[in-house]
Amino acid sequence: KAGVTQTPRYLIKTRGQQVTLSCSPISGHRSVSWYQQTPGQGLQFLFEYFSETQRNKGNFPGRFSGRQFSNSRSEMNVSTLELGDSALYLCASSLDRGNYGYTFGSGTRLTVV
Amino acid sequence: AQSVAQPEDQVNVAEGNPLTVKCTYSVSGNPYLFWYVQYPNRGLQFLLKYITGDNLVKGSYGFEAEFNKSQTSFHLKKPSALVSDSALYFCAVRAKMEYGNKLVFGAGTILRVKS
Repeated sequence: KAGVTQTPRYLIKTRGQQVTLSCSPISGHRSVSWYQQTPGQGLQFLFEYFSETQRNKGNFPGRFSGRQFSNSRSEMNVSTLELGDSALYLCASSLDRGNYGYTFGSGTRLTVV
Repeated sequence: AQSVAQPEDQVNVAEGNPLTVKCTYSVSGNPYLFWYVQYPNRGLQFLLKYITGDNLVKGSYGFEAEFNKSQTSFHLKKPSALVSDSALYFCAVRAKMEYGNKLVFGAGTILRVKS
């Protein structure tokens, strides 16, 4: 059974650019959540998508957005990149919207220069 | 609001010795608790969870955790540490949101196992 697949693994972008990250959940999982991991702030919840709708959102500016497709794959977009957006972005999928746990992908390491 | 505290930034233990990584939580209602491990430049790997039932939970790679409701703790343990256990460990609690759940993580504890 394939796990959660995140692409690309590494990205280097320039300030002001935008970026799109992709996440394919475990087959059958319809809930996809995104987390940002930084040395200073730790792991923070960005948002959750379920059935192609954003259900919950963390405390992040509107530059952070996402979407989910009918096959449950999700994309996350960050516009007007700032140096502080450099982080490891983790995607997690869940069969039951997190009631019994999440499976995480390997993450996308974004570096903004 | 739900929160998790991992009071130790780093835990050092000799190979073969027992290890404990501490976690305390604050949550309204019944806690759903998780431990994850992260190796360098990798995502989070699930170790174990407590939802209900026995206070001693057994997980992957020989790890176990003890749920203590009165002390609001969920410490991770292993009877005999391996050098390969060296990694970053996160305790997390499920937090209910308006339309679902999210995980609230502790700051993480670096475990170093020396041979």
